[in-house]
Amino acid sequence: EVQLLESGGDLVQPGGSLRLSCAASGFTFDNYVMGWVRQAPGKGLEWVSGISASGGSTYYVDSVKGRFTISRDNSKNTLYLQTSSLRAEDTAVFYCVKGAVRWQEIYYFDYWGQGTLVTVSS
Amino acid sequence: EIVLTQSPGTLSLSPGERATLSCRASQSVSSSYLVWYQQKPGQAPRLLIHGASSRATGIPDRFSGSGSGTDFTLTISRLEPEDFAVYYCQQCGGAPTFGGGTNVEIK
Repeated sequence: EVQLLESGGDLVQPGGSLRLSCAASGFTFDNYVMGWVRQAPGKGLEWVSGISASGGSTYYVDSVKGRFTISRDNSKNTLYLQTSSLRAEDTAVFYCVKGAVRWQEIYYFDYWGQGTLVTVSS
Repeated sequence: EIVLTQSPGTLSLSPGERATLSCRASQSVSSSYLVWYQQKPGQAPRLLIHGASSRATGIPDRFSGSGSGTDFTLTISRLEPEDFAVYYCQQCGGAPTFGGGTNVEIK
């Protein structure tokens, strides 16, 4: 059974940083792209970042470029999102997502974690 | 960036009725890269349709997808009580983007 377990969400002040983690199990982690999708309270979904299976290629939505860094440790089956210079508008549930197509860099997602809440407020 | 516009924003229907949801793209999207998700309150989204018309594993056949180019449709042939939820389209032909969602609510 595929499981994605996020952690690291918290209340942080504007300008602060957080590191989100996603522990994956139940599939061959290094065969799939992974990513992060966020959802602000009461709002829709927004893709934030993606990473290739090897970790060699990374992608970001414009609003987080230069502030967020996605990475993965394939030996630990873990995905990360390092966030910095956080703003109030970054407040959201962050979902860890698994790419649906093995070996291909196609960013739609067949499994989602339950999410971790990041709240940016003073 | 490809912008996806979903309509209507809210669809009020009764169980047993047919639901037709629209997703319009600001530029042409390959059918291979258009997907639909369902999200219920307090839950993560679930993949329903990929490749514009292929049901994901375990999705009942009352859900169907169609369309090409810039216009895509999700149809629920007969609404079951568990189908009342928010539905999102997503394209992954370029940088992934989501539509704003359609809330299918009980009339």
